[in-house]
Amino acid sequence: DVKVTQSSRYLVKRTGEKVFLECVQDMDHENMFWYRQDPGLGLRLIYFSYDVKMKEKGDIPEGYSVSREKKERFSLILESASTNQTSMYLCASSMRGNYGYTFGSGTRLTVV
Amino acid sequence: QKEVEQNSGPLSVPEGAIASLNCTYSDRGSQSFFWYRQYSGKSPELIMFIYSNGDKEDGRFTAQLNKASQYVSLLIRDSQPSDSATYLCALILKRTGRRALTFGSGTRLQVQP
Repeated sequence: DVKVTQSSRYLVKRTGEKVFLECVQDMDHENMFWYRQDPGLGLRLIYFSYDVKMKEKGDIPEGYSVSREKKERFSLILESASTNQTSMYLCASSMRGNYGYTFGSGTRLTVV
Repeated sequence: QKEVEQNSGPLSVPEGAIASLNCTYSDRGSQSFFWYRQYSGKSPELIMFIYSNGDKEDGRFTAQLNKASQYVSLLIRDSQPSDSATYLCALILKRTGRRALTFGSGTRLQVQP
């Protein structure tokens, strides 16, 4: 089975901190994605990547950046955490041209 | 206007009934459509995808696509309590050229025993 592993299930950070959310997949998928999920808003795309060192902005990239130095790892960075970034963050991966995503178990981030 | 609209529910159906979940979209050029299921506290998982107008069946699930009317539906026959979950409609927006899914906010389904 494809496995997408997110480093933390729950995270509490302070306003202004730099936060790193890590995602690792083990099936050699080209595509990786970061979404956040909020009640009533569904999943919103933050950033995605087609390949190593490539990244593209999604619908809500402001306040976030990403890094993909290795094919299996896609990191989401909150440059200066704010309370409105409190959310469930979901990482997903898929093969090139395939939209059957495999999601990680999510990181629930609380910014206080 | 949201790109992908779903009634948030909950949609409540008795066990054994047909559950009908609907989704409308605004981008007429959208081509590929997906249904994901998300149990409470869990991550979404793919149920079905449909690319062409008409029906596509997979076991108890049928996806229906009508591009002229810009809606896609998911029918669940013989609904079971284990089908109780939130169902997310997703698609590829043609207008952005983006190769990533845009999701609706989901419909919560409750199947009553």
